[in-house]
Amino acid sequence: ILNVEQSPQSLHVQEGDSTNFTCSFPSSNFYALHWYRWETAKSPEALFVMTLNGDEKKKGRISATLNTKEGYSYLYIKGSQPEDSATYLCAFGRVGGSNYKLTFGKGTLLTVNP
Amino acid sequence: NAGVTQTPKFQVLKTGQSMTLQCAQDMNHNSMYWYRQDPGMGLRLIYYSASEGTTDKGEVPNGYNVSRLNKREFSLRLESAAPSQTSVYFCASTGRTNSPLHFGNGTRLTVT
Repeated sequence: ILNVEQSPQSLHVQEGDSTNFTCSFPSSNFYALHWYRWETAKSPEALFVMTLNGDEKKKGRISATLNTKEGYSYLYIKGSQPEDSATYLCAFGRVGGSNYKLTFGKGTLLTVNP
Repeated sequence: NAGVTQTPKFQVLKTGQSMTLQCAQDMNHNSMYWYRQDPGMGLRLIYYSASEGTTDKGEVPNGYNVSRLNKREFSLRLESAAPSQTSVYFCASTGRTNSPLHFGNGTRLTVT
């Protein structure tokens, strides 16, 4: 069983604060690292897919970095807004033989207070 | 554009009953997945199908079977439901291994 760890488990911030979360994953057999945003009562929606060590992706106020050698990725939110409140999931993609599997972490629950 | 469609949205079963959760995607994706979501556990992979005609076990396959009926459809069957299978089930698909997953809206299953 792969260990994909996310920290913190939950986070409460004030509107306007910047914040970041961590995703840790095995550094062997790496293929891709995914980030998803999951709002309550909805389905997860993809934010980023990163495949190369040193990758940096940005979408609006949200950005992510990737370090495959040490096995971690950071997700940053600049100037948090109440609508950013959601669970943020990372998923580690690895290739084993001819199979490709995505293993999810347990997520970080972000609450942004107005 | 429908994307990934799951049926039913809600289901209540009694222990020992069987049922099939249906999933269909209209994006011509090769790979399809079934996950379950439980409080504090994140998304756990039950089964997946890398391509039409192939299926493989994920982290928590016990008590489930799957069928990749064709490229569009991937069903999940509970032969004899147990209370431990009370969960929210998500189907997902992707076209390539470095592409994001597209999720269905989920099926909330309660086994009493």
